[in-house]
Amino acid sequence: ETGVTQTPRHLVMGMTNKKSLKCEQHLGHNAMYWYKQSAKKPLELMFVYSLEERVENNSVPSRFSPECPNSSHLFLHLHTLQPEDSALYLCASSQSQGGAREQYFGPGTRLTVT
Amino acid sequence: KQEVTQIPAALSVPEGENLVLNCSFTDSAIYNLQWFRQDPGKGLTSLLLIQSSQREQTSGRLNASLDKSSGRSTLYIAASQPGDSATYLCAVRPGLTGGGNKLTFGTGTQLKVEL
Repeated sequence: ETGVTQTPRHLVMGMTNKKSLKCEQHLGHNAMYWYKQSAKKPLELMFVYSLEERVENNSVPSRFSPECPNSSHLFLHLHTLQPEDSALYLCASSQSQGGAREQYFGPGTRLTVT
Repeated sequence: KQEVTQIPAALSVPEGENLVLNCSFTDSAIYNLQWFRQDPGKGLTSLLLIQSSQREQTSGRLNASLDKSSGRSTLYIAASQPGDSATYLCAVRPGLTGGGNKLTFGTGTQLKVEL
């Protein structure tokens, strides 16, 4: 247990569905991250929230919409996805300033788009 | 643009062997480097973090070294065990002051330790 939880752990959705991924951290951190991990590719950073403000958006398609209502929770809203969006989606958290800013990861949500 | 490379991509060793995993990065202006372990279909577990001012970090059977000027880090695993089988990832945080939030990851080394 790293102190970062993600739900659901597995999700299968059609291209016309709308679903949301949830991440919660219990570490007192104030920065949260969404990453995408596709087969045989490096982890890709999607979004970064620091002190509940989005500070990075790495050219992610608008069919992915993040939401950070407070420093402990992060959501990724999904709609009209494509089969190539099938991947492992990982959430992470860290301190946003000072120190090593070591990132702690959740177990991920395995998403399959049919 | 920072690029991180890990060699080899896959490695299979007998139990008990000492082994070295390699990570190289193209931009030496890093704040720190982190080694992670990932089991199949799971999230990442942080193993060791080395600040740019440090040369190495140790945790149990693991030792990570950093040579920032040459853009290289190694992860040494002593007396390998089947439970060490996993994918090992390295990631660098950019910038001399750590102001960036973005970690750049390598593609990982998939390790299998056989009985």
